[in-house]
Amino acid sequence: GAGVSQSPSNKVTEKGKDVELRCDPISGHTALYWYRQSLGQGLEFLIYFQGNSAPDKSGLPSDRFSAERTGGSVSTLTIQRTQQEDSAVYLCASSLSGSFNEKLFFGSGTQLSVL
Amino acid sequence: AQSVTQPDIHITVSEGASLELRCNYSYGATPYLFWYVQSPGQGLQLLLKYFSGDTLVQGIKGFEAEFKRSQSSFNLRKPSVHWSDAAEYFCAVWVWAAGNKLTFGGGTRVLVKP
Repeated sequence: GAGVSQSPSNKVTEKGKDVELRCDPISGHTALYWYRQSLGQGLEFLIYFQGNSAPDKSGLPSDRFSAERTGGSVSTLTIQRTQQEDSAVYLCASSLSGSFNEKLFFGSGTQLSVL
Repeated sequence: AQSVTQPDIHITVSEGASLELRCNYSYGATPYLFWYVQSPGQGLQLLLKYFSGDTLVQGIKGFEAEFKRSQSSFNLRKPSVHWSDAAEYFCAVWVWAAGNKLTFGGGTRVLVKP
């Protein structure tokens, strides 16, 4: 596609429910990142996928968070038993190969609100 | 702890005035440095980056940034601000020891007065 696509753009859920957020990176990009942007906070790294390598999950805040990337393309971030503190904008980004000198292309994000 | 700090949460500047956004990092080695901008309703966009060489780098939209090793800083500047520069600006670093990922500062929100 022309850019990184994320869906849904907005998600309202009740506390305790599970949610799935989707990211469709730019075609051909092997590196994919998830970040979280909370109100008044910077971008917090969550997880990084690079090709067939094991993902870097070092930023996931708890075991309620998980992510997968199927076929080296689309990624899904799953939050189980959502809590109010999970409310944030979840951003996905991709780059060609994950090299330091490549630009990250960001999606418009999913605004998650947990009531 | 290793970190990226943007000391100013909000900055208000008059249109036509100059702008400087501060960024400090605390890593032992010189990281690769970036500035991104997040305009209302838009995704993050890369403004400029510094890897090595000339410490003054030029970016898009008339922005520039200067790397100062002695101060562990990478401040962003624009000589004359336009109303369209109202946005949130993020400094980011890439450090090999921290894994293949960008670490972002907390952001600075810029408001432009007419």
